[in-house]
Order: sequence, then structure tokens, then C-alpha cells
Amino acid sequence: QKEVEQDPGPLSVPEGAIVSLNCTYSNSAFQYFMWYRQYSRKGPELLMYTYSSGNKEDGRFTAQVDKSSKYISLFIRDSQPSDSATYLCAMSVDDYKLSFGAGTTVTVRA
Amino acid sequence: DTGVSQNPRHKITKRGQNVTFRCDPISEHNRLYWYRQTLGQGPEFLTYFQNEAQLEKSRLLSDRFSAERPKGSFSTLEIQRTEQGDSAMYLCASTDATNEKLFFGSGTQLSVL
Repeated sequence: QKEVEQDPGPLSVPEGAIVSLNCTYSNSAFQYFMWYRQYSRKGPELLMYTYSSGNKEDGRFTAQVDKSSKYISLFIRDSQPSDSATYLCAMSVDDYKLSFGAGTTVTVRA
Repeated sequence: DTGVSQNPRHKITKRGQNVTFRCDPISEHNRLYWYRQTLGQGPEFLTYFQNEAQLEKSRLLSDRFSAERPKGSFSTLEIQRTEQGDSAMYLCASTDATNEKLFFGSGTQLSVL
């Protein structure tokens, strides 16, 4: 069993819809949680960073962490075609070595 | 700030050949990381430098792999006697010790024929 599980999708939604992404993990020592966006042939780009359980909002993006359930989520409101990418969850025990999920491919249809 | 730069962007080599990749981190970032990403998977941690010191190596990094960061600036990742299983995207990332954000380069795509 992988430390971090993420549904690979693909996920296809119409423009303006809410995109919901999630990951589960098995290592209870994880305390730093991140979401990255990766466009084709590019490196991952950090979207959200959270340290504790709860919600964090940044523009159209909301990240949720539930440590008791070992479950994290990312919501994208008012999705745009430019949001079409692969979204990777990542987490770490200390703040330097990340364990990534496999990524979910999202397509936002115009 | 020009971001993390990786060269070459693509490398095609024959099995058994040696290859070397270069990473130039964001200036003044003292932490530098190498990750490997295969198709349909997330990046996997390979190794980590703080300044010129290599502080951790993953078990994924066999003895055919070696990484250096002379003078704590750019870094190189060398793979000796390449195998087809080494085909992957090799990603470099850097960060400042006071900044939790990891900045990735665009990677070097290695294809071993």
C-alpha cells in the first residue's frame, strides 16, 4: 500500500463547475500538506500549503485537512479551462522530503 | 529571479551509456532536491542537499546514481550505465530554509533506448 493514495481520474467538468480532489494517507506523522499543479511537460507548481487540520482558502482554491481521518481535499471554484492540469497532493513529516500522490488529471471543458 | 533551471530538457541515450543532468537553483536557495517522476506517477524523492552537503539519499538512488553540489550552487545528477528503467523525468527543486515553498524546475526527460 502506498503512503499517499490519490484517484488518478481523469476528471472532466464544465467551465464554472466546482472541482473536488482528494487524497488519503497512511502515515500519521505527516504534518505538512500541499497541493501542486502540473501542466504537461512542466514541473509541479505549488498551489496550497497547510500545516494543520482545517481549511485554508486562497482565491478560488480551498484546501482542507482532516488529520483524524487522514484525508485532504482541494476544491477549485468557478473552474476555468486554464485549470486543466494534473493536480498532485504532497505531504511530509518534516518540511523537506515530500511524498506525492499519483496525481489527478483534470479537464475543464469550455 | 529566473526560477529553477534544468539542462538539458530532453536526453535520449542508449542503454549502458552515462548521462549527466544539471540544475541551477534559485539564487540564495540553500536547499536543493532531486526527484524522479515516471508517467502517471507523482514525483519520488531521490536526494537532498543543504548547501554543499548531501544530507539524505533515497533507497531509490542505486550506486549507479551520484549527485553533487559543489560550492553549494548548481547541482549535477549523474547516472552511470543507464538502464531502460531509468527512463523518467528528473526534477530539481530548491527552497530557502526559512521558506516552506518548494520551487521545481521543468525537469529533464530521460529516454533510455
